[in-house]
Amino acid sequence: DAGVTQSPTHLIKTRGQQVTLRCSPKSGHDTVSWYQQALGQGPQFIFQYYEEEERQRGNFPDRFSGHQFPNYSSELNVNALLLGDSALYLCASESRAGELFFGEGSRLTVL
Amino acid sequence: KQEVTQIPAALSVPEGENLVLNCSFTDSAIYNLQWFRQDPGKGLTSLLLIQSSQREQTSGRLNASLDKSSGRSTLYIAASQPGDSATYLCAVGRSNYQLIWGAGTKLIIKP
Repeated sequence: DAGVTQSPTHLIKTRGQQVTLRCSPKSGHDTVSWYQQALGQGPQFIFQYYEEEERQRGNFPDRFSGHQFPNYSSELNVNALLLGDSALYLCASESRAGELFFGEGSRLTVL
Repeated sequence: KQEVTQIPAALSVPEGENLVLNCSFTDSAIYNLQWFRQDPGKGLTSLLLIQSSQREQTSGRLNASLDKSSGRSTLYIAASQPGDSATYLCAVGRSNYQLIWGAGTKLIIKP
């Protein structure tokens, strides 16, 4: 059983560009959350998708947007990249008991 | 506003010792609490999930306790091994599906 998979694993962008990160949840999981983790800090909640709708959103600007597809996979889009967007972006899928399973993350560097 | 604190930020102990990691939170109205492990540059691995109605959970050499009234959780690691070296994070679940994270405790087990 494949766990949560994310792509790409690493990417480098320049300020002002746009990026799309992808996530496939663990089999049987229909809820996907995205987190941003800066170096040396705990993850910060960006948003959560359930049944193709954004169910909850953290304190992130509208430059951060997402989508969930009918197969429960999800994308995170970030527009007008800033240097401060450099971070590890983590995707998590959730079991019915509320346990989170994380992917290995996408390391974004903005130059 | 829920705040989660993990003390100490770093801990170094000799192999074989039993140890306790601490997590405190300010609002006792939690949905659940999870402990995660993160290796450098990697995603997070769920270790233990404690529902708000539970007092503790055990998995192998790990035992996590939850005391909502005092706003504390502890992760007990028995007979520590060098492979236990990682950053350990706790996250408090709220009814609005968000997780609030501590900054983690970096654990080093010396051979």
